[in-house]
Amino acid sequence: AQSVTQLGSHVSVSEGALVLLRCNYSSSVPPYLFWYVQYPNQGLQLLLKYTSAATLVKGINGFEAEFKKSETSFHLTKPSAHMRDAAEYFCAVSNYNNDMRFGAGTRLTVKP
Amino acid sequence: EPEVTQTPSHQVTQMGQEVILRCVPISNHLYFYWYRQILGQKVEFLVSFYNNEISEKSEIFDDQFSVERPDGSNFTLKIRSTKLEDSAMYFCASSPGTSDRTDTQYFGPGTRLTVL
Repeated sequence: AQSVTQLGSHVSVSEGALVLLRCNYSSSVPPYLFWYVQYPNQGLQLLLKYTSAATLVKGINGFEAEFKKSETSFHLTKPSAHMRDAAEYFCAVSNYNNDMRFGAGTRLTVKP
Repeated sequence: EPEVTQTPSHQVTQMGQEVILRCVPISNHLYFYWYRQILGQKVEFLVSFYNNEISEKSEIFDDQFSVERPDGSNFTLKIRSTKLEDSAMYFCASSPGTSDRTDTQYFGPGTRLTVL
């Protein structure tokens, strides 16, 4: 089965700084990858997804992620962090059975 | 914008009691899912449901769990005899049903289950 690993359970950046959240995947078939965000006391909201079209995927709120097969990575980036970006971010892979396998999550803190 | 809703937002129960968690998926969606997230841990898949039957389930989804779509709008998760370790946030999700792995799943806000 496919799986994802998120490196860093907690990332802290200053407002305006680059955001980089790391995700590596393991898959025996071409993966379909997702990033979800969870704001406090809310459900999971889709940020973006990779489905084997363009390797650079643009999502909502200025986030993007690049699929790199050679590195088995799908890192999430945003050029300039805002206070409202503080949340938990989950990388996920769609299993061949169409269920989602999530990473452990990365909590993003944005300092003023 | 249509969204998945879940009730209640927080459920407290005694160990050994039955609980039913309720979800209303997005109306034209065909696939439904339950996930859980134990505090501080990752989101884990429990079960997927399509065409009025379970399509996949994880090893977590044992005989204590069952799902049902009783009336064409609700999607429920029942835990027959709750254990302390069932305490978690339970998320419902639905997807349109293009039946491939690229289908986006839309998540509800979750029900926090506390078993005492």
